Amino acid sequence: EVQLLESGGDLIQPGGSLRLSCAASGFTFSNYAMSWVRQAPEKGLEWVSSIGGTSGDTYYADTVKGRFTISRDNSKNTLYLQVNRLRAEDTAVYYCVKDQFPNNGHFDAFDIWGQGTMVTVSS
Amino acid sequence: DIQMTQSPSSLSASVGDKVTFTCRASQNINTYLNWYQQKPGKAPNLLIYTASSLQGGVPSRFSGSGSGTDFTLTISSLQLEDFATYYCQQTYSNLLTFGQGTKVEIK
Repeated sequence: EVQLLESGGDLIQPGGSLRLSCAASGFTFSNYAMSWVRQAPEKGLEWVSSIGGTSGDTYYADTVKGRFTISRDNSKNTLYLQVNRLRAEDTAVYYCVKDQFPNNGHFDAFDIWGQGTMVTVSS
Repeated sequence: DIQMTQSPSSLSASVGDKVTFTCRASQNINTYLNWYQQKPGKAPNLLIYTASSLQGGVPSRFSGSGSGTDFTLTISSLQLEDFATYYCQQTYSNLLTFGQGTKVEIK
């Protein structure tokens, strides 16, 4: 069964840092681009960042560029999101998501979503 | 960045109704458009990819159409389990974006 399991969410003060992790199983992790999507309380979905499967190319939303870093360890089947200089507006559930098709040169729909991990930024 | 605008923001409908809502891109995105359904407290679920392809396991009452900048999602006969929020997403650009969502409520 294909699964994504996020961890690392916490209550953190403004300006703080966290590292979110996503453990993947049930598919050949290195073959797929992966992304993070977040959802603030009672708000819509916001794409945060994506990373290629084999290329490792990274992309970020303007709202997080320069503060967040996406990475992956294909030997551990794990996706990461390092979040720094956190702001109140970063408070959200962070979802780890898998691209629908293996490396094909562009990003696809997200066919598998994790259950999400909550990041709360508050003093 | 490519902006995605969904309309309406919400709608009320009854079981059995045919429901259609739209998603408009700020520039041509060919057919790089996907639709997701999200129920409260749950992760989103992929319904339609590349504008009109039905994801496996999704009921055939869901259909998508469009290309370029204008897209629609249609539910041919609304069921109780379809009351949810629906999001469109473009994957034309590497800077992926979602629409703001359309909430389908019970009339």
